[in-house]
Amino acid sequence: KAGVTQTPRYLIKTRGQQVTLSCSPISGHRSVSWYQQTPGQGLQFLFEYFSETQRNKGNFPGRFSGRQFSNSRSEMNVSTLELGDSALYLCASSLGNGALSEKLFFGSGTQLSVL
Amino acid sequence: KNQVEQSPQSLIILEGKNCTLQCNYTVSPFSNLRWYKQDTGRGPVSLTIMTFSENTKSNGRYTATLDADTKQSSLHITASQLSDSASYICVVSVNTGFQKLVFGTGTRLLVSP
Repeated sequence: KAGVTQTPRYLIKTRGQQVTLSCSPISGHRSVSWYQQTPGQGLQFLFEYFSETQRNKGNFPGRFSGRQFSNSRSEMNVSTLELGDSALYLCASSLGNGALSEKLFFGSGTQLSVL
Repeated sequence: KNQVEQSPQSLIILEGKNCTLQCNYTVSPFSNLRWYKQDTGRGPVSLTIMTFSENTKSNGRYTATLDADTKQSSLHITASQLSDSASYICVVSVNTGFQKLVFGTGTRLLVSP
């Protein structure tokens, strides 16, 4: 079974630009969640999508948005990039059945550098 | 405020030795506690998940313990190998109707030959 696939692996952008990151979950998984990881802050939750609907949202500004398609693939968009947006963006997939001990499977992430 | 604190921040041990990583949390209402291993440049990989009623769980050479009364968890690595060099992240799930994950900032472990 293929794992969680994130593209691109690396990205370099300049301030003010926008960026779109992609995540393909494990086959059969309906929930996709996104996280930002920086050396200083660690992992921080961005949002979660289930069946094309945003089910859960973290405390990030509106410049961060996402969506999920009918095949469960998800995209995350960051508009008007700032230097502080430089981070590793991780996507995780799960069955999404609501089990409290549901296991998350992470992709390898997209390393975004904003210059 | 829901918080997860890990110690030490970093650790260097010799190959073959054991080590223990600590995690303290102030999270309510508690749902479960997870340990993840994250290799450099890769996404985290789940090691263990423990609910309130479980006080120990093993995954090969990794053994996690949970004391729900003191709100502490530890991850013990036995007979360390070079491949154990990674960051280990403690994550606590808050049961607010849906799962909210609170992440620790991790312990960076280096296993030296």
